[in-house]
Amino acid sequence: AQSVTQPDIHITVSEGASLELRCNYSYGATPYLFWYVQSPGQGLQLLLKYFSGDTLVQGIKGFEAEFKRSQSSFNLRKPSVHWSDAAEYFCAVGLMEYGNKLVFGAGTILRVKS
Amino acid sequence: EAGVAQSPRYKIIEKRQSVAFWCNPISGHATLYWYQQILGQGPKLLIQFQNNGVVDDSQLPKDRFSAERLKGVDSTLKIQPAKLEDSAVYLCASSLAIGTSANEQYFGPGTRLTVT
Repeated sequence: AQSVTQPDIHITVSEGASLELRCNYSYGATPYLFWYVQSPGQGLQLLLKYFSGDTLVQGIKGFEAEFKRSQSSFNLRKPSVHWSDAAEYFCAVGLMEYGNKLVFGAGTILRVKS
Repeated sequence: EAGVAQSPRYKIIEKRQSVAFWCNPISGHATLYWYQQILGQGPKLLIQFQNNGVVDDSQLPKDRFSAERLKGVDSTLKIQPAKLEDSAVYLCASSLAIGTSANEQYFGPGTRLTVT
């Protein structure tokens, strides 16, 4: 069955430090992969997506993610974290043969300390 | 461009009562999704519409949940009767269409349901 694993429930980083959020997926076909961010009381906002081509994708707010097929991973990175990045981050795989249905991971809560 | 609208934003009901949520997708978006997000978990798809037809409702608890999108635009999700475990945020999302590589789901702010 298709699934997404985000191994870290919480991560705390200092403002200005680099960030990497891990995501592993289980899916038989070529995946469509997404990272969303959710601030308290808000809906989900798309940070970036991977469909094909260059395995390093750039997103909004200075985020990037790298697709590694051999590791079934799609980790999210940011070189320098800002206090406003504190939120919950969700990785998702899009199931194209099921009407673009998204299967989400459980999320990683990012805390930023000053 | 207006985003996905949802109402109400918050709802508190007692178990066994009924509740309805409303969603208005982005204009021109043919596909509409309802997700349930329980605290501490990622969103889980409940039902997906393409225009006014159901594409996937395999994870919808049909004994108590129902949803409709009669005119292929806005949608209503109903729970009757509610259980304690239905406490969650209900997210609505829309996208242009199925099967396009540019497909991207846009999410509304959600409705937070508390069942007491």
